[in-house]
Amino acid sequence: QKEVEQDPGPLSVPEGAIVSLNCTYSNSAFQYFMWYRQYSRKGPELLMYTYSSGNKEDGRFTAQVDKSSKYISLFIRDSQPSDSATYLCAMSAGGTSYGKLTFGQGTILTVHP
Amino acid sequence: NAGVTQTPKFQVLKTGQSMTLQCAQDMNHNSMYWYRQDPGMGLRLIYYSASEGTTDKGEVPNGYNVSRLNKREFSLRLESAAPSQTSVYFCASSGPGGLWYFGPGTRLTVT
Repeated sequence: QKEVEQDPGPLSVPEGAIVSLNCTYSNSAFQYFMWYRQYSRKGPELLMYTYSSGNKEDGRFTAQVDKSSKYISLFIRDSQPSDSATYLCAMSAGGTSYGKLTFGQGTILTVHP
Repeated sequence: NAGVTQTPKFQVLKTGQSMTLQCAQDMNHNSMYWYRQDPGMGLRLIYYSASEGTTDKGEVPNGYNVSRLNKREFSLRLESAAPSQTSVYFCASSGPGGLWYFGPGTRLTVT
């Protein structure tokens, strides 16, 4: 069993839809949770960063972490065609500048006009 | 401020050839990483360097070597390339606050 599981999709939604992306994990030591967005043929770029449990909102994006269920989510409101990308969840137990990220497989999202 | 840079962007090798992938960061980060990305596998850690002068194996280190040349630079070497090493390679760095930043990637094909 992988430490981090993410449904690879692909996920196709109409413009304006609410998108929900999810990951589950098995390592209870994970404390730092990230979502990366990766456009085709580009490197991952950090989208959201959350420490421990709770919610974090940034514009149209909301990240949720439920450590008791070992489950994290990313919600995208009013989705746009420019949101079409692969979304990767990533987690770490480390809290300093040293630490290893463990990634999910990535979910391919397409938002069509 | 260029962030994390990688060279080359693309490379084609024949089986058995060697090459070095270069990575540099200008954010004064202590930690640097090499990942590979394969379809359906996400990103997998090859090697990392917690600080200048130290390196450690990650999840998939076989067939690779690394050098932390100084605080800015971290290179990945393939001594004898194999088709199984066909992949996209990403370098990353992280600093205080635990945020990781990735380079644009190197697409490597081994024939």
